[in-house]
Amino acid sequence: GAVVSQHPSRVICKSGTSVKIECRSLDFQATTMFWYRQFPKKSLMLMATSNEGSKATYEQGVEKDKFLINHASLTLSTLTVTSAHPEDSSFYICSASGGLRANDEQFFGPGTRLTVL
Amino acid sequence: TQLLEQSPQFLSIQEGENLTVYCNSSSVFSSLQWYRQEPGEGPVLLVTVVTGGEVKKLKRLTFQFGDARKDSSLHITAAQPGDTGLYLCAGANAGGTSYGKLTFGQGTILTVHP
Repeated sequence: GAVVSQHPSRVICKSGTSVKIECRSLDFQATTMFWYRQFPKKSLMLMATSNEGSKATYEQGVEKDKFLINHASLTLSTLTVTSAHPEDSSFYICSASGGLRANDEQFFGPGTRLTVL
Repeated sequence: TQLLEQSPQFLSIQEGENLTVYCNSSSVFSSLQWYRQEPGEGPVLLVTVVTGGEVKKLKRLTFQFGDARKDSSLHITAAQPGDTGLYLCAGANAGGTSYGKLTFGQGTILTVHP
């Protein structure tokens, strides 16, 4: 299957700072990338959907000014957590899809553990 | 909003036992995926079922998609400690603004004791 990487794998930051997480599709062009958030022992919650070259679509309840998403190329999407606070601490996972059909597989990254002190 | 109810949330069994995890919805999905996730890692796709009534087998794992494409089950035969992990079902949405998105169930934390 296709490979999706995330960087960094872990990040610890101080409250009030911004953190950028990168999601890359290494061997395919991702027309769509998805960002999820996961709390311990819980399921994945979709935060937003991004298509290359257009604005991200955020799920209800997700602050777009807080979680900035950029999908500048077909292999890279970034999630920036602005003015991070301890409640933003979580496991953030991206996925990428290279197809245009609803059944097209999403390939998941390994996740980024964010801890805000 | 499409919802996927997954049960049970927690399952603790002894090695060699069988188990079944269920995912149910009132909505129709274009396909349904099952994932397994280890702590600190991303989910890994186990199988995708697309056709109503479809049954797929992966060694000791059997996956079934309901005839109406609203529900699915994962059955593990003779569970082993290596099967321990978080199992997630996810339905692919085919219509409207949810096109291409996955709706995840709540997850099942499986622990298999030696």
